[in-house]
Amino acid sequence: GAGVSQSPRYKVAKRGQDVALRCDPISGHVSLFWYQQALGQGPEFLTYFQNEAQLDKSGLPSDRFFAERPEGSVSTLKIQRTQQEDSAVYLCASREQGSELFFGEGSRLTVL
Amino acid sequence: GENVEQHPSTLSVQEGDSAVIKCTYSDSASNYFPWYKQELGKGPQLIIDIRSNVGEKKDQRIAVTLNKTAKHFSLHITETQPEDSAVYFCAVGPWDSNYQLIWGAGTKLIIKP
Repeated sequence: GAGVSQSPRYKVAKRGQDVALRCDPISGHVSLFWYQQALGQGPEFLTYFQNEAQLDKSGLPSDRFFAERPEGSVSTLKIQRTQQEDSAVYLCASREQGSELFFGEGSRLTVL
Repeated sequence: GENVEQHPSTLSVQEGDSAVIKCTYSDSASNYFPWYKQELGKGPQLIIDIRSNVGEKKDQRIAVTLNKTAKHFSLHITETQPEDSAVYFCAVGPWDSNYQLIWGAGTKLIIKP
């Protein structure tokens, strides 16, 4: 596609529910990143894939967070047993080797 | 680890005037300094970046200056227009690894007509 596509754009979950957020990167982009952006803050790194390999997941805040990219294209960020502190915008970005990061519009998660 | 501070948090300028946003960083090994613009409901978009081997870079109305000795860099927007209204983020990191960028907290730029 023309840009990074994320869905859903908005998700409201009750505390304790599981959620799944999808990212469709720019076609051909090898690298894919997930960021968490709290209100009024800059993005914070969660995890990084090169093709299907998850090379860094040091930013995932707890073992309730899990990301996958099984075929090296679409990625899913899953949050289990959501908590109120998980409320944020989740941004996906992709890039070619050595190029700039291209961000999607984000998925806004609200946990009630 | 790297620490990035961005000022001001909000900046209001008259249309046509200039706007300056400043960031300081702590790790002298950092060599890549991008600026991103984020409009409401959108993801951040790279507007200009600079590497440590250059002191200044300009692209039309936007410029970035870097002082490696003092560990600070600034975004300059001249002849501001209403469409410049957005949140601007600075970031700092190694050139060869965008994902290790450390981001500032952002500056909300308001252009008054």
